[in-house]
Amino acid sequence: GQQLNQSPQSMFIQEGEDVSMNCTSSSIFNTWLWYKQDPGEGPVLLIALYKAGELTSNGRLTAQFGITRKDSFLNISASIPSDVGIYFCAGRISGGYQKVTFGTGTKLQVIP
Amino acid sequence: DTAVSQTPKYLVTQMGNDKSIKCEQNLGHDTMYWYKQDSKKFLKIMFSYNNKELIINETVPNRFSPKSPDKAHLNLHINSLELGDSAVYFCASSQDLGVKGSPLHFGNGTRLTVT
Repeated sequence: GQQLNQSPQSMFIQEGEDVSMNCTSSSIFNTWLWYKQDPGEGPVLLIALYKAGELTSNGRLTAQFGITRKDSFLNISASIPSDVGIYFCAGRISGGYQKVTFGTGTKLQVIP
Repeated sequence: DTAVSQTPKYLVTQMGNDKSIKCEQNLGHDTMYWYKQDSKKFLKIMFSYNNKELIINETVPNRFSPKSPDKAHLNLHINSLELGDSAVYFCASSQDLGVKGSPLHFGNGTRLTVT
């Protein structure tokens, strides 16, 4: 089945630093999604990408849909303490009722 | 206004018991899902319903039975609970619009602990 590998698995950064994480797949996806999960809550959508090469921003967050359609990247600029959480990528094949497959997650810790 | 709401938030029960988790969404979406998040935080799809019809059924033990009385509700019933069923169960919904499909909207999860 499809597998999505995220890296890094976890990271500690200093407040104010920029963060990069990525997600790679063994399959091609038509949609890439990035979610953030805070403790005790469900994942919340950050950015949705629908086209290969697409670069989309949401405040300090920027995500890109890889040209090969097998990868995606998320960058967070000028991190702040509330960026702490687990970030998940997710991929979806379009057409019909296709399931969304989630990545393994990147746990982000921000040191004030 | 909670878009996707699950009850209960916490569920502690003994092995062998039967329990249910309820989910409701007020987003007007036509597709609902159950995901299981294990201790390593990996999210794995279990079931998906579109307009009350089962459309995705992953390899899940028969002890798990989803029920969708209408497109705004998707409940999960678990029979003969086992220790390995301990996890956080998330309900989600989306509006499937053909090619594009909308992202999933998640509830806040139900933490199930089987002792």
